[in-house]
Amino acid sequence: KQEVTQIPAALSVPEGENLVLNCSFTDSAIYNLQWFRQDPGKGLTSLLLIQSSQREQTSGRLNASLDKSSGRSTLYIAASQPGDSATYLCALNKAAGNKLTFGGGTRVLVKP
Amino acid sequence: SAVISQKPSRDICQRGTSLTIQCQVDSQVTMMFWYRQQPGQSLTLIATANQGSEATYESGFVIDKFPISRPNLTFSTLTVSNMSPEDSSIYLCSVAPRQGYGYTFGSGTRLTVV
Repeated sequence: KQEVTQIPAALSVPEGENLVLNCSFTDSAIYNLQWFRQDPGKGLTSLLLIQSSQREQTSGRLNASLDKSSGRSTLYIAASQPGDSATYLCALNKAAGNKLTFGGGTRVLVKP
Repeated sequence: SAVISQKPSRDICQRGTSLTIQCQVDSQVTMMFWYRQQPGQSLTLIATANQGSEATYESGFVIDKFPISRPNLTFSTLTVSNMSPEDSSIYLCSVAPRQGYGYTFGSGTRLTVV
């Protein structure tokens, strides 16, 4: 059974510092890995999708890497801003169209 | 990617009553997923809904408590039945992506049972 872990559970940084969020998984047979952002009480916003054949994806200040052999993905957010404060969730699936298995999330606070 | 309209966005309900949550997708999709997010927790899959067949429920979730309808390829409902305070959660629907696209989620329904 796939288990997804995100450490740390919470993170507080001063504005301008780079953020490094970790996601680890126990079964390397994944199809896609996706990073989401969730604001309090709201739905999920997709940030980046990494397909199993890819090693990284970039969008603006965000960069996500994937290392299937070690069961890890890392989300980097450069030059953090107070607006980046949210919970970040990683999720993955085993095959196209299958359900997502979520990590517990990392709650980020960026202090002005 | 698909756009999902989810209603209601929030509700406060009396225990023992039922609430039906709707999700409308702007394109035809084969599979829809319903998740629950309890306070302070991550997302847990309730069931997978395919058009024209019974929903498939995850361990710990039953049809009598969470009946699901999927009348066509763009719409689904989840009912939370005979509610108790333990059902207070955010409920989210999601659709499986087309090749190369990520999963899309509705904006969520924040349910409080009093």
